[in-house]
Parts: sequence; structure tokens; C-alpha cells
Amino acid sequence: EDQVTQSPEALRLQEGESSSLNCSYTVSGLRGLFWYRQDPGKGPEFLFTLYSAGEEKEKERLKATLTKKESFLHITAPKPEDSATYLCAVQEWGTYKYIFGTGTRLKVLA
Amino acid sequence: NAGVTQTPKFRVLKTGQSMTLLCAQDMNHEYMYWYRQDPGMGLRLIHYSVGEGTTAKGEVPDGYNVSRLKKQNFLLGLESAAPSQTSVYFCASQQATGGNEQYFGPGTRLTVT
Repeated sequence: EDQVTQSPEALRLQEGESSSLNCSYTVSGLRGLFWYRQDPGKGPEFLFTLYSAGEEKEKERLKATLTKKESFLHITAPKPEDSATYLCAVQEWGTYKYIFGTGTRLKVLA
Repeated sequence: NAGVTQTPKFRVLKTGQSMTLLCAQDMNHEYMYWYRQDPGMGLRLIHYSVGEGTTAKGEVPDGYNVSRLKKQNFLLGLESAAPSQTSVYFCASQQATGGNEQYFGPGTRLTVT
């Protein structure tokens, strides 16, 4: 069964303290892996798409990487405004559907 | 571009009442989706559409119906609301070619008492 697991469930960091969020997945054939950011009371906001193992994408303090079994979202020198829930999703070849993980709630303290 | 919009933003229903949630997108996307988000369960797909006039069931379709009469609109209906349908509902859209990312609306918070 296709599955997406995110860890940790919650993470508290001091401003400037770098860390990584994990998304492990099982899917028959990966069409794409997606990272989203969700602020309280709002819809998910698209961050990155990764298609194949070894691929990396960067945006400001965020860097997403992909292996055959998992993806990492690295946050370098985070700021309080990076506080949000980060969602991971996968799409399998031959389907239109995403499978979402339950997210990691990130809190960055000033 | 407004992107994906949802109407209404909030709604309280009594058990057994009906309502329709409206999703509109102005990006000319082919695919549209309805999700519900509940604490600890992540986003779950209710129904989706890959084109005007077509719809398909997702992971949790029971108690919901949908229609896609126009390409830019995707309606989600609750015929007889139940407390288990208390949730936040998100609509998303995706283009058919190019990137596979979905773009989400701001959500509708529904409470059924």
C-alpha cells in the first residue's frame, strides 16, 4: 500500500539552528514528490517538486533532496517566519492523485 | 490572477442540512480536487475531476457529491450533513501538462452540530 510518513511530528528550533525534516515514502513508481508549507488557517502553499533520486531544489533557507525511499527538507539558519506546518506528498505514475503525509509542525523561536 | 478561491470561508450546519461548497480557479487548469483536512490525519482526497463533465471518487467519497459543469468550477455537495463531516475543506487545481504541482484554495471551515 502506498504510504507517506513524516517525522518528526513537531519540531522546535532556536532562530539560526539548522535542522532537517524527513518524508519517507513507499510507492510503486514515483511520478513526483512535493513539499508544501501551510500556515494556520490557510491552504497549503507549493514549495518544491522533486522527480528523481539525487535531485535537489533550493529556495531561500530551504533545500529539498530526494532518495529512492525518502526526502529531506533542510532548513538552514531558520527565522521565526519559517514557523509553519510542512507537508510532503507523492504522486504515483498512472494516477492523478496525491498521497499526503500528516506534516511536521515547525516552530522557530526568536 | 486570484488563483483558487473557495466559497464560503466558514459555515455551521445542523445535522441533516445540505449545502454546496464552491471552488473556482482562473488558471485554466484541467484537473481539480476536493480534500478534507482533520487533525492528525493529513489531507484526504474526497473527489476529483480530470476535465469538464468528468468526476471520480477519491479516498473518502461517502456522503459527498461533486459536479464539474464548467472547467473553472468544481462544486462539492453535502446532501445530509453529519457531525463526522466537520472538517476543513480544501480545493486544489493542477494543469494537465508541465509541472504536476497542485495549487490550493484558502479552505472552508465547516462545523456540523
